[in-house]
Amino acid sequence: DQQVKQNSPSLSVQEGRISILNCDYTNSMFDYFLWYKKYPAEGPTFLISISSIKDKNEDGRFTVFLNKSAKHLSLHIVPSQPGDSAVYFCAARVSGNTPLVFGKGTRLSVIA
Amino acid sequence: GAGVSQSPSNKVTEKGKDVELRCDPISGHTALYWYRQSLGQGLEFLIYFQGNSAPDKSGLPSDRFSAERTGGSVSTLTIQRTQQEDSAVYLCASSLDSVGNTEAFFGQGTRLTVV
Repeated sequence: DQQVKQNSPSLSVQEGRISILNCDYTNSMFDYFLWYKKYPAEGPTFLISISSIKDKNEDGRFTVFLNKSAKHLSLHIVPSQPGDSAVYFCAARVSGNTPLVFGKGTRLSVIA
Repeated sequence: GAGVSQSPSNKVTEKGKDVELRCDPISGHTALYWYRQSLGQGLEFLIYFQGNSAPDKSGLPSDRFSAERTGGSVSTLTIQRTQQEDSAVYLCASSLDSVGNTEAFFGQGTRLTVV
């Protein structure tokens, strides 16, 4: 049973445009959500997070939106740059003594 | 150290042999996680340590897998009698704690190939 789902395995976007990566979850107890970026042969690196008490968190070109009623979150990257090309993982957890649950990832390709 | 360190970075082993993978978390981080990523797949949770609490082993795929964390710091993931389906990148992560909402920092991973 996959609790965190990233239904798009890949996404291609032109440089300068907006990239929108989507993530759905099934566990209504999740209250903390994160996005990680992963380059080949490297470990995932933390990008941005959001607590369930918020519906938006912004950090530079990256914004995460959370829709609790729809159990959906999205990551917006604007403007997209070629260096953003990577696999993006959505993760979620229940606060307390619990591990992070990851989606399968979306491969973003930003085309110059 | 400055980041999460894993060793070895690459390991090729023969089917049936035992392997040990090591993780040095960031100093002061009380939570430690092991995940693995098989080819084309997402991050699969294996085991999780938090301070002195009993580890959450719910993700271990079989009893051939075990992990320990000595002194609340270094962790070793052991796979006994390796099988070809164990081939994957094994990733370790640590975070300050898990009670507060803090992000986990990952190591570069150990690529395990079972031949």
